[in-house]
Order: sequence, then C-alpha cells, then structure tokens
Amino acid sequence: EVQLEESGGRVVRPGGSLRLSCAASGFIFDDHGLNWVRQVPGKGLEWISFINWNGGSTAYADSVKGRFTISRDTAKNSLYLQMNSLRAEDTALYYCARLQLLGDAFDVWGQGTMVTVSS
Amino acid sequence: QSALTQPPSASGSPGQSVTISCTGTNSDVGGYDFVSWYQQHPGKAPKLLIYEVSKRPSGVPDRFSGSKSGNTASLTVSGLQAEDEADYYCSSLVSSTNYVFGTGTKVTVL
Repeated sequence: EVQLEESGGRVVRPGGSLRLSCAASGFIFDDHGLNWVRQVPGKGLEWISFINWNGGSTAYADSVKGRFTISRDTAKNSLYLQMNSLRAEDTALYYCARLQLLGDAFDVWGQGTMVTVSS
Repeated sequence: QSALTQPPSASGSPGQSVTISCTGTNSDVGGYDFVSWYQQHPGKAPKLLIYEVSKRPSGVPDRFSGSKSGNTASLTVSGLQAEDEADYYCSSLVSSTNYVFGTGTKVTVL
C-alpha cells in the first residue's frame, strides 16, 4: 500500500526549532518529487515546500523561505522539514504530499502532524 | 504568491450539479495546464480528484469533471450525492517548482 506518514509535530516556543519527518512506503521513493503542505485548523491549504526526486532542486513559499529547509534521505525513504525561527503563524497541521510521476498534482497525502507554536 | 480565488461555499440538492470556480492569473492558472482539484472531508487528508485541468485518477467517479478558460478553472460535480459534501480546493503550478492552492469551497448537499 502506498503510504506517507508524518511525525515530529509538537508544541514549541516562538523562536524555537523543530524537525518534521515523513516516512514513505509502498512506492519507489526516488521516482517522485515531494512536498510539504500545511493547513491551519479550519482554514485552507498552503503549499510551503518542494523537493525533486534526487534532492537537487528545492523551492519554498515566501512565508517560510529562509527559515525552513526541506530534505530527503533515500536510504531511509524519508522526507524532512527543518523548521527554524518558528512563529505563532506557523501553527498548523503539516502534510507531506507526493507529486505525481511526470505530473504536477499531489496524488498521495499523509495524515498530517500538528505543530503548535505557543509560549 | 496569492491564493487562487474560490467561492467560499456552494450547494445543491441530491442529483443536481454544482460548479466551483478557481480564478488566478496569467502566472498560474492561465499560464499552465497544471490545475488540479482536491476533496477534503472533515478531519481527513485531501484527496486528488482532477489533475491537468480535466483528467481523473483511477477510482474517481466520472461525476467529477474539470475545465479551464483563460485564468479561471472550474470543477463540476454532477449527480450530487451526500458523500460529496466536503471542502474542495484547486491548485496550480506557479513556476517549475512552486505551487499555489485556492482559498477553498465548502460544498453542501441540501
């Protein structure tokens, strides 16, 4: 079964750091670009970061550029999001989402991990 | 990058059709045929319904259809069913590596 499973979300103080993980299974990890998408509870989806199949290309939304870093580890079939200088407005449910093979739609999603930035 | 504009809500009776618009700019919706649509039920992850404007992944009923004209994409749900009550989001490629989502539309089945 094709699956993505996020972990690492917790309560963190403003200005703090956190690393999210996303474990992939059931598909050839290296074939796909991967993304992080977040959603404030009760609000809409926000794309925040992309990494291509081999990690050679990354992209970020302006809202997180310079503070967040996306990476991937083929040996562990895992995607990561290093989040620094966290702000209250980063509080959200963070999803990892797989990019279609040869496409630009998010065809597989995890269930999300909740990050709360609060003092 | 600003979110694509969707109406906050839409509704229809069972069996009817509802169409949701998704308006962007020449830099996103109008510039690429890479518009996708997602359905999200409460407490669940989004699910891909439509990709590349009008293509359906396997398993998605043909009641769901997509189209695009200029800077506006549309999702039509025909033959509304109770289980179609959910939030719907559009998304578009913005550049070779960046994406943007729509503001979301809550569909109510009356």
